[in-house]
Parts: sequence; C-alpha cells; structure tokens
Amino acid sequence: DADVTQTPRNRITKTGKRIMLECSQTKGHDRMYWYRQDPGLGLRLIYYSFDVKDINKGEISDGYSVSRQAQAKFSLSLESAIPNQTALYFCATSDPGLGGEQFFGPGTRLTVL
Amino acid sequence: QQQVKQSPQSLIVQKGGISIINCAYENTAFDYFPWYQQFPGKGPALLIAIRPDVSEKKEGRFTISFNKSAKQFSLHIMDSQPGDSATYFCAASKTGAGSYQLTFGKGTKLSVIP
Repeated sequence: DADVTQTPRNRITKTGKRIMLECSQTKGHDRMYWYRQDPGLGLRLIYYSFDVKDINKGEISDGYSVSRQAQAKFSLSLESAIPNQTALYFCATSDPGLGGEQFFGPGTRLTVL
Repeated sequence: QQQVKQSPQSLIVQKGGISIINCAYENTAFDYFPWYQQFPGKGPALLIAIRPDVSEKKEGRFTISFNKSAKQFSLHIMDSQPGDSATYFCAASKTGAGSYQLTFGKGTKLSVIP
C-alpha cells in the first residue's frame, strides 16, 4: 500500500550495530504499529502508538525502541542488533473509526550477520 | 501463550475446490476477528472480518464462519483460483475503548494448483 511506506526495504547489518527502520504514512491515521514476521510464527507486535504522545510495548519489545516523531512518522530502532532479530518488519496504521482495519506497509527485510 | 491457534500451516487445493482454514481463540473478551491475506513481497491486507454477533459473513467467494461457543472461526474460499495462492492470517482483538490491538495466528500458506 503506497500510503504506508517503509525505508529501507532491505538491510544487512552486523551484530552490535545500531539500526533504525522508518515508517511514514499519508493516511492521516493516529495509530501506528510495528510488527515482526518470522516464518511459521506469524506477525508479532513489537510496539504501538495511539498518538504522538502515546507509546506502548507489544508482545516482544525487548531489544527494540521506538520514536513517534510526528503523526505520520514512527521509527523502530535496534540499539545493538543480534542475529535472532533477522526478520521481516512491518509497519501498520489504523483509524478506530474505520472499524479496526490495519493498513500495512511493504515491509523491511532485515538481516543481522 | 498462544492466544490464536491457526491450522493448517500449509494447504494445497485444486483449482475450483474449497479452501478451509481454521482458527481457535482463548480470550473470550475478543470481539473482532479479521482475516488478512499476504502475497509474497507484500504486506498483509484485510480480506474479510466478522464480529461475534453474527455466525457467518460472506464477501464474494470468501466466507467467515464463526462459532462463539466453541471459540472457533474459519475462512472458506469457494471456487479457489491460482490467484488466491497466498499466506492467510487470522487475527483477533478486543475493541473496548477502541483498542483493536490484533493478535495474529501463525499463518497458512495456500497453494491453488491448476
């Protein structure tokens, strides 16, 4: 969905490096989410934000941090990347007035060597 | 603790056949049950969703059946087509105070063969 963009789309990094994944949206939604997808494990929620001043931990927040710079921007950081953080990362947005649908970005494939 | 269990992990169906994917949930507070479809290289996209006040919802070839007492819901794809080949995720959430925080199943990879 072009309304939710993620950068970079692919990233290879080394153990111990700090890395930031960025998400931008033009949907005007207040709510934004970061998920991690691993084969056979589905999508797991890392962090979510219901507005600029609201940040909440999800199911698997350890090793991650986030920043909500503006309504349209939500960044995910790995302070010191480790190999088991190799995964596909998705950003999503939602508007509760639209009945719960979440709109996902195209994903960032992260490899930690 | 896995709150939404999805089966099967993978499914192969002949073109024209019926694809059935099942999910079971544990949290009786869940009141919103969507299905998402994901094609390779893309993010998931909402396919169809149901709330527990109805037992079935149909949109074209896609139907959700919901059994509140058994805490189960399923996706049926009628007349399956090769273009339906994708990974399907069920999910569930509570909507009180407008929460909509989704818990996903592990996904089912569907392959529809000609």
